[in-house]
Amino acid sequence: GQNIDQPTEMTATEGAIVQINCTYQTSGFNGLFWYQQHAGEAPTFLSYNVLDGLEEKGRFSSFLSRSKGYSYLLLKELQMKDSASYLCAVSTDDYKLSFGAGTTVTVRA
Amino acid sequence: TAGITQAPTSQILAAGRSMTLRCTQDMRHNAMYWYRQDLGLGLRLIHYSNTAGTTGKGEVPDGYSVSRANTDDFPLTLASAVPSQTSVYFCASSERASGANVLTFGAGSRLTVL
Repeated sequence: GQNIDQPTEMTATEGAIVQINCTYQTSGFNGLFWYQQHAGEAPTFLSYNVLDGLEEKGRFSSFLSRSKGYSYLLLKELQMKDSASYLCAVSTDDYKLSFGAGTTVTVRA
Repeated sequence: TAGITQAPTSQILAAGRSMTLRCTQDMRHNAMYWYRQDLGLGLRLIHYSNTAGTTGKGEVPDGYSVSRANTDDFPLTLASAVPSQTSVYFCASSERASGANVLTFGAGSRLTVL
């Protein structure tokens, strides 16, 4: 089976930075995705990494190290609307996504 | 607005009854998927379809069946519901079945089996 680990919960203050780590052990690797999911809503795509390194998209950045089976999502200048669950997903050998259980981020004023 | 439509939004079902969750997309995506989401377990793949006319089993297929008669529709059927199938079900689609296949999700169907 696939093993994708991420912390269950994180709390941070508005304007701060939070880093959500994800480690994985999977059958094959064809890329790593991050999705955002607000409570009661559908997941929405944030980022995709297939090569090692950092991908930056505005306030959000995602990093990948394939040799370490490790990724992180960095959220900068946190806003209240960033309170949500963040899902790490790995595209495995058949290109199907396996998801971690998600990290719930709470942003406090 | 283009995207994925799921129905029903919410349903309570007696154990042993059958139920079909509907999913329609208007993006002409080739691949479609059904996931279930349970607290603490994350999204788990039930069935998928790489292209119209083909289907495949995901991680948790038992008790579910799907069909893909055309590009747009991908219904999920529970033949005889059991309480462990209480969950939130998400339908998703992607332009292709390989590569950087970004998934677009529907709003979800919350199913309670009593």
